[in-house]
Amino acid sequence: DAGVIQSPRHEVTEMGQEVTLRCKPISGHDYLFWYRQTMMRGLELLIYFNNNVPIDDSGMPEDRFSAKMPNASFSTLKIQPSEPRDSAVYFCASSLRGRGANSPLHFGNGTRLTVT
Amino acid sequence: AQTVTQSQPEMSVQEAETVTLSCTYDTSESNYYLFWYKQPPSRQMILVIRQEAYKQQNATENRFSVNFQKAAKSFSLKISDSQLGDTAMYFCAFSYNNNDMRFGAGTRLTVKP
Repeated sequence: DAGVIQSPRHEVTEMGQEVTLRCKPISGHDYLFWYRQTMMRGLELLIYFNNNVPIDDSGMPEDRFSAKMPNASFSTLKIQPSEPRDSAVYFCASSLRGRGANSPLHFGNGTRLTVT
Repeated sequence: AQTVTQSQPEMSVQEAETVTLSCTYDTSESNYYLFWYKQPPSRQMILVIRQEAYKQQNATENRFSVNFQKAAKSFSLKISDSQLGDTAMYFCAFSYNNNDMRFGAGTRLTVKP
């Protein structure tokens, strides 16, 4: 089990540029989550998918943020255009659910985004 | 709405000693799940321990145990025989029916040699 894989690990970009963060969930997991972590706001849920379908995107801060999950093994979080206040660590997590016993989230190592 | 509160921004403990991290939560649900996650300097979020609300017995995982007080909506983490590798941020988290997971603000624990 390779765990949740995120790329890149670090991303530095200039304001106004498009940023794409990538995530490969654990094989067989049917839920995928995107979180953002900042010092000021802690861990915030941005969006989550069930079986590749977005279920709740109420945490997405603005229309500049979008997320897709074209198949069960891949998801992207895109910011366009990026702004300095988007600087944060972005985590992807996956879990397996629907079997009565709760399954915890398995996190990737995160992508540290710096927008200058 | 469910909220999770960790009232201790920072704590420290001597190596080999015991430390307890506090967590309270607010919910109107009766069946839910509680977790403690550890985030070392490597940034990775690591599950430490979990508790189902319908289970009265407190969960334990080696040196880690919880004190779950459902009526008081309290979920504290006890770390026994603290080790230097326990130095990390610790996050308490709440999940209702797995729709999403709410995290507390975290407690930064430093284990001193």
